[in-house]
Amino acid sequence: AQRVTQPEKLLSVFKGAPVELKCNYSYSGSPELFWYVQYSRQRLQLLLRHISRESIKGFTADLNKGETSFHLKKPFAQEEDSAMYYCALKETSGSRLTFGEGTQLTVNP
Amino acid sequence: DGGITQSPKYLFRKEGQNVTLSCEQNLNHDAMYWYRQDPGQGLRLIYYSQIVNDFQKGDIAEGYSVSREKKESFPLTVTSAQKNPTAFYLCASSDRALSGYEQYFGPGTRLTVT
Repeated sequence: AQRVTQPEKLLSVFKGAPVELKCNYSYSGSPELFWYVQYSRQRLQLLLRHISRESIKGFTADLNKGETSFHLKKPFAQEEDSAMYYCALKETSGSRLTFGEGTQLTVNP
Repeated sequence: DGGITQSPKYLFRKEGQNVTLSCEQNLNHDAMYWYRQDPGQGLRLIYYSQIVNDFQKGDIAEGYSVSREKKESFPLTVTSAQKNPTAFYLCASSDRALSGYEQYFGPGTRLTVT
């Protein structure tokens, strides 16, 4: 069965510092990985997906199949990045997602 | 905010009562999902439906039931058999053709059972 693990429940950095939110997965097939974000008082929304290979709000994430990881990175954190971040995996077939436990990121001024 | 709506925002029930949470979408999405969000446990899938009149159990379906009689609607019933029903419930929808499997989420319903 597939599993997504986010080892850090809480992560705190200062404005301008680099930030990395870790995500590891276990899945025997070829997964699609996503990062979702939930800002305070807003709905959960898609931040980025690995197949797009794009940078959103300065965030990037690279799928490392050898290490089964999909860490989210940003070189210079901003206060508005403070939010709950969820890593999610989609199986090869079907549409359901498996979410990690989430990481609450706080960017301090 | 249109797209996907959940009502009510807050719901209070006495133990032993069944309660139904509403989820409606006007995105023309085929698939709909119900999640439960608990602190430190992330989102856990309760039930999902990939097409009208069909649905599958997720990871924590015990004590819950759903129906999918219309494309736009996917109500969730929390039954008295659910041992720990107090939680934040999120509904979502997606469509491979329209959104490439991106799931769109509702604002959530916070259920408190005492």
